Amino acid sequence: DTGVSQDPRHKITKRGQNVTFRCDPISEHNRLYWYRQTLGQGPEFLTYFQNEAQLEKSRLLSDRFSAERPKGSFSTLEIQRTEQGDSAMYLCASTGGNQDTQYFGPGTRLTVL
Amino acid sequence: AQTVTQSQPEMSVQEAETVTLSCTYDTSESDYYLFWYKQPPSRQMILVIRQEAYKQQNATENRFSVNFQKAAKSFSLKISDSQLGDAAMYFCAYTYNNAGNMLTFGGGTRLMVKP
Repeated sequence: DTGVSQDPRHKITKRGQNVTFRCDPISEHNRLYWYRQTLGQGPEFLTYFQNEAQLEKSRLLSDRFSAERPKGSFSTLEIQRTEQGDSAMYLCASTGGNQDTQYFGPGTRLTVL
Repeated sequence: AQTVTQSQPEMSVQEAETVTLSCTYDTSESDYYLFWYKQPPSRQMILVIRQEAYKQQNATENRFSVNFQKAAKSFSLKISDSQLGDAAMYFCAYTYNNAGNMLTFGGGTRLMVKP
């Protein structure tokens, strides 16, 4: 069990560009969550998957954001036409058996110039 | 809507001393879970301790313990024998038994440990 991994760890992009992040959950964990954390704040829920099904999306997830988990394993989060307000840490978490304890990855820090 | 409030943006403790971090929450649910997560600088968030609301006994993990007051909707974290490695942001979080178990976080408390 290697824990939740995320790639890349850091991403710098120019406003208007598209970016994609990847999350690999703990093996056999069927639920996967995405959160966004801005500087000095607690994480905020964006969306979650149970296996390959995206079951809930926060109102924070504008139509420029899309997430997938095609085979119920890794997930990707894409942001189209990035804006400076998208600059944040994007955290991924997964959970398995007891479903209530989430384990977090190291995050992807996005900077939009 | 559920909310989690951490009223102490920063706390400081002397090495080897004890410190308590405060957390209050608001919910109408009866079956829920509370957590404390630690986020060291530039490092990932790790679970410190977990409490099930239906359990009256306060959770304990080595030097970390909680004071869970269900009626008051209070969930404080006590760190005993503080160590330099305890310096981090601490987040209180809540979830309940709905379909998703999404976490709601407080704003965090930055803990500084003085040698």
